[in-house]
Amino acid sequence: NAGVTQTPKFQVLKTGQSMTLQCAQDMNHEYMSWYRQDPGMGLRLIHYSVGAGITDQGEVPNGYNVSRSTTEDFPLRLLSAAPSQTSVYFCASSGTSGYNEQFFGPGTRLTVL
Amino acid sequence: QKEVEQDPGPLSVPEGAIVSLNCTYSNSAFQYFMWYRQYSRKGPELLMYTYSSGNKEDGRFTAQVDKSSKYISLFIRDSQPSDSATYLCAMRAFNKFYFGSGTKLNVKP
Repeated sequence: NAGVTQTPKFQVLKTGQSMTLQCAQDMNHEYMSWYRQDPGMGLRLIHYSVGAGITDQGEVPNGYNVSRSTTEDFPLRLLSAAPSQTSVYFCASSGTSGYNEQFFGPGTRLTVL
Repeated sequence: QKEVEQDPGPLSVPEGAIVSLNCTYSNSAFQYFMWYRQYSRKGPELLMYTYSSGNKEDGRFTAQVDKSSKYISLFIRDSQPSDSATYLCAMRAFNKFYFGSGTKLNVKP
């Protein structure tokens, strides 16, 4: 099991560029989510999904799009990158019944110039 | 007001000390309470979780939840240099997780 994988590990963008952060899991988890982590702010939920075809917004969804066409993949799209989106992005997955541990990927460090 | 408030630290303690990490919350809908450990440049990993008031012990770690006061704590006994990391409290309401801002702990040999 690879667990939760994220690509790329690092990315530098210019303001206005778009890109997609990839996330995949091989644990057949229904629940997947994206967080951003900024100094002093902890982890903040961007978007989440409880299954293929179902997504919903978290705390800080503006400027980001998601879709979930398969159980395994949950890409995060930045439509028009802004310096305020400079952050470390984590993808996570878990089951949905009762309590299920949320497993995190290694993160993507994004800098927007 | 943030849903989850965590003492920011940082904390620096000598090896062998007892460490206390704390969070408060405002949302009565939180069902599960978790502590994550995050090493530098890594993703968070789950340390402990609980869903009821009281204490839960796992080796040198004890998680404490007081739902009436909306307060949770993590105690680390006999702290080790390998415990040096950022500790994040987290809470779950239905399908959403809310994290504290994290407390950076340094255990000096």
